[in-house]
This record gives sequence, structure tokens and C-alpha cells, in this order.
Amino acid sequence: QKEVEQNSGPLSVPEGAIASLNCTYSDRGSQSFFWYRQYSGKSPELIMSIYSNGDKEDGRFTAQLNKASQYVSLLIRDSQPSDSATYLCAVVGGYQKVTFGTGTKLQVIP
Amino acid sequence: DGGITQSPKYLFRKEGQNVTLSCEQNLNHDAMYWYRQDPGQGLRLIYYSQIVNDFQKGDIAEGYSVSREKKESFPLTVTSAQKNPTAFYLCASSRISEETQYFGPGTRLLVL
Repeated sequence: QKEVEQNSGPLSVPEGAIASLNCTYSDRGSQSFFWYRQYSGKSPELIMSIYSNGDKEDGRFTAQLNKASQYVSLLIRDSQPSDSATYLCAVVGGYQKVTFGTGTKLQVIP
Repeated sequence: DGGITQSPKYLFRKEGQNVTLSCEQNLNHDAMYWYRQDPGQGLRLIYYSQIVNDFQKGDIAEGYSVSREKKESFPLTVTSAQKNPTAFYLCASSRISEETQYFGPGTRLLVL
């Protein structure tokens, strides 16, 4: 079992729709969770961090965390073509080790 | 203008050659990291350093070496022992007290 799992996609959504990206992790002791966006050929850029169960909203982005289910998600409202990228989930486990998922490719169709 | 710089953007390596990738940051971050990214795979940690003159192996350190002589700089050498070096190499940094990592623009290494 991979430590951090993401569906590779591509996830295709029409412009203006809600995109839902999911991530599961295996280390129950994980306390910190991050979402990065990576455009093709570019480096990852931080979108959001979340540390507590529940939702955290920042503009069109909402991160959701459920530690009991070992699940973290990212919702993108009013998806735009410029949101088309690969989204990486990162989980901080024991000894502050950061593990990245393989990423989900999102395509927003105009 | 604070940030992380990596150079070169593209690097070509001949067989049997050692090459060095540069990473510099002016964010006053204590911790620095090197990752390798292959198509369809996540980021894999090569080496990391939390303090000058000290560094630790990550998950895939074989065939790589690093140094941390200055807080701002963390160069990565890809040695001839690394048989499959073609990848996108990413340098990142963070504050010791925080887990958020910020990435440089990356170096794409290709083998001739």
C-alpha cells in the first residue's frame, strides 16, 4: 500500500463546475496536510495547508480533512481553464517526514 | 525579492560524468531539500539538510551527493554511479519550525 494515494486522472470537469480531488494516507499519526498545484513543466506551488478535521476555505479552494478516515480532499469551485494542472497531496508523518502523492491531473474543459 | 533559484534550467550529462545542480535561497530558511520527479511518479526525497554542515539521506540517495557549507546554498551532485539520472530535480526549503516547503523552479537533467 502506498503511503499517500491519489487517483492519477485525468479528472475532466466543465468550466464553472466543482472539481473534487481526493487523497488517502496510511500513517494514522499524520498531523499536517498540504495541497500543491503543478503546471506542466513547472515546480509545485503551495495552494493550501490543513491541520484540523473539517473544512478550510480560501477563495475558490476548500480543503477537507477527515483523520478518522485518513482522507483529505481539495474542492475547487467555479473551475477555470487556468486550474488545469496536476494537484499533489503532501502528508507529514512521523519524524516530520513529508510524503507526496503521485498527483491527480485536472482538466477543465471550456 | 525572496525566493529559491535553481540553475541551470536544463542540464545535459554525458555517460560517466558527474554534474552539479545549484540551489540557492534567500528566504533565511534553515531546512533545504532535494527531490527527484519522474513522469507519473510523485516527488522522491534524495537528501535534506536542517543545518549548515549537516545533511541526511532521503529515500533515494544512492548515486547522489550534497554539501551544505552555507545556509543559503545546497548543491546536488549527480555522480556517474547514478545510472538513470534523467528526471526533473526540485529543490525546496522551509523554516525548521514549519512543515510548509517552498520549491525552486527545477532543473531538468537529460543524458546524452
